[in-house]
Amino acid sequence: DAKTTQPNSMESNEEEPVHLPCNHSTISGTDYIHWYRQLPSQGPEYVIHGLTSNVNNRMASLAIAEDRKSSTLILHRATLRDAAVYYCIGNFNKFYFGSGTKLNVKP
Amino acid sequence: DGGITQSPKYLFRKEGQNVTLSCEQNLNHDAMYWYRQDPGQGLRLIYYSQIVNDFQKGDIAEGYSVSREKKESFPLTVTSAQKNPTAFYLCASTPTDRNTEAFFGQGTRLTVV
Repeated sequence: DAKTTQPNSMESNEEEPVHLPCNHSTISGTDYIHWYRQLPSQGPEYVIHGLTSNVNNRMASLAIAEDRKSSTLILHRATLRDAAVYYCIGNFNKFYFGSGTKLNVKP
Repeated sequence: DGGITQSPKYLFRKEGQNVTLSCEQNLNHDAMYWYRQDPGQGLRLIYYSQIVNDFQKGDIAEGYSVSREKKESFPLTVTSAQKNPTAFYLCASTPTDRNTEAFFGQGTRLTVV
């Protein structure tokens, strides 16, 4: 099963960029890499997803390694509202979540 | 508006009682999932279903049961065999197309006293 590995926590200053890494070395060739984030006592919300190419949307950018064994979620200018737990998922069949990265944003 | 609904938001039960958590979606998604989340922890997969009348165990299925009689509904029963049922339970649904986002309910917080 394509399970993922992420750092437990990261810290950023407000208005600065944040790079959140994820290792998914066993991902299958057809699985998209999805990122979600979760605020306390809420369900996760979608952030971004991609297959091979880098992706951008209004929330973030996703940089995918050429070998697809890792990816990086990029928040270009972190705000206090971005403080959350960020999860990457590499197995769409079972939709496994790892333990995620808790992002703390300092004012 | 399409979405996924979990009910109730808070649920209290006495120890030894079975309890059923509801999850309904009107997104026409084929796959549905149940997760358990303990304080400060990530989401752990309980059961998942990729098609009506079929479901598979996740990592922590013991003490839980599910059914998938309709595409829109995937109820989770927490049985008396679950030794530590107090937790936050989340339901999700995804389409078959992997190039599409998943949707999550807002969760049910179950407290067993």
